[in-house]
Amino acid sequence: GIQVEQSPPDLILQEGANSTLRCNFSDSVNNLQWFHQNPWGQLINLFYIPSGTKQNGRLSATTVATERYSLLYISSSQTTDSGVYFCAIDKTGANSKLTFGKGITLSVRP
Amino acid sequence: ETGVTQSPTHLIKTRGQQVTLRCSSQSGHNTVSWYQQALGQGPQFIFQYYREEENGRGNFPPRFSGLQFPNYSSELNVNALELDDSALYLCASSYDRTNSPLHFGNGTRLTVT
Repeated sequence: GIQVEQSPPDLILQEGANSTLRCNFSDSVNNLQWFHQNPWGQLINLFYIPSGTKQNGRLSATTVATERYSLLYISSSQTTDSGVYFCAIDKTGANSKLTFGKGITLSVRP
Repeated sequence: ETGVTQSPTHLIKTRGQQVTLRCSSQSGHNTVSWYQQALGQGPQFIFQYYREEENGRGNFPPRFSGLQFPNYSSELNVNALELDDSALYLCASSYDRTNSPLHFGNGTRLTVT
């Protein structure tokens, strides 16, 4: 099946710093989504981005489908950005069978 | 706009028992997916329901079953609970079964003893 690798596995930032989170995948995809899971377990959809670039406030994401990777940028990080960031993909474009990566644990210190 | 709601939030069951978890989809969404998240892992797809029909299933045994109702709410049933079933169960709804963002509920934490 399709493989998803996220890096780095852990990241510690000082409040106000910028960061880049990476998601590599092993095959072409028609569906790619980024999620943030906060320390209470709530999973929030950040971006639906099978290709191209999107921005939402301090967050932006870019997917280069031909090179099989996606990047999530966090600028001016805040303590509330702490949690686990997941990349999830599907080859077919169906929402079913989204394959999640292992996640990137981000800790933002005040 | 009402988001995805799940109940109960926490549950403790004994090995061999049966459990039913419930999910109300976000208004306007006709598709519900269920995921299991073990501690320290990413969510794993269990199955998806689209307009009351199962529309895809992950690598889970038949003792994991589900339903979707005409109002698009859904249930996940697990029979003959095993210790390894202890996990966070997440329900997600989407506008359609393809090419639309998933929106998750807060999950049900199931502990099997």
